[in-house]
Amino acid sequence: DTAVSQTPKYLVTQMGNDKSIKCEQNLGHDTMYWYKQDSKKFLKIMFSYNNKELIINETVPNRFSPKSPDKAHLNLHINSLELGDSAVYFCASSQGLAFRSSYNEQFFGPGTRLTVL
Amino acid sequence: KNQVEQSPQSLIILEGKNCTLQCNYTVSPFSNLRWYKQDTGRGPVSLTIMTFSENTKSNGRYTATLDADTKQSSLHITASQLSDSASYICVVHTNAGKSTFGDGTTLTVKP
Repeated sequence: DTAVSQTPKYLVTQMGNDKSIKCEQNLGHDTMYWYKQDSKKFLKIMFSYNNKELIINETVPNRFSPKSPDKAHLNLHINSLELGDSAVYFCASSQGLAFRSSYNEQFFGPGTRLTVL
Repeated sequence: KNQVEQSPQSLIILEGKNCTLQCNYTVSPFSNLRWYKQDTGRGPVSLTIMTFSENTKSNGRYTATLDADTKQSSLHITASQLSDSASYICVVHTNAGKSTFGDGTTLTVKP
């Protein structure tokens, strides 16, 4: 069974569209994250949710809105897509917040490659 | 300038050889440091997690070291295999909730 799954794996869309990426974890973790990896392979955290509550919101445009319907899901909705949004987006989960304890190992999903034309 | 600097940027070694990757950081206050392996087209996979008081941690052929005084960490790979070809990413978490990723080292192991 896949621990952290994301859908879709690939997403190609036009500038200005609105799209969503879904993430689910079956590890029973309390904390979930969204990361963006740009073309230079640099990973940057976007959001962190703990028990469905937003904990960390890095300097991300408000066109990006995470939604956590329950602890096992953290979806990412993006409005008015721009060319610069093209990247690979990774979802991850851990038992608790990674910065709070070394016991909170993060498990990453396979990524969603978003291409904005 | 990234607060987590990794070197070298890329490295090519022959199968069976050892190698060492470096990670220097300036972020604070330090909580823990993690090394990840990321295969092409896949998500990162955790290799080691180290706290302030830990100097060395091993995971199979991977051994990470941490010198919290000099703010340096290294990842040593022993008897490399073709499957070790990947990007290796160093991440430092702070007690303030900040996570800073290094740019990664791309390792290529050749037969």
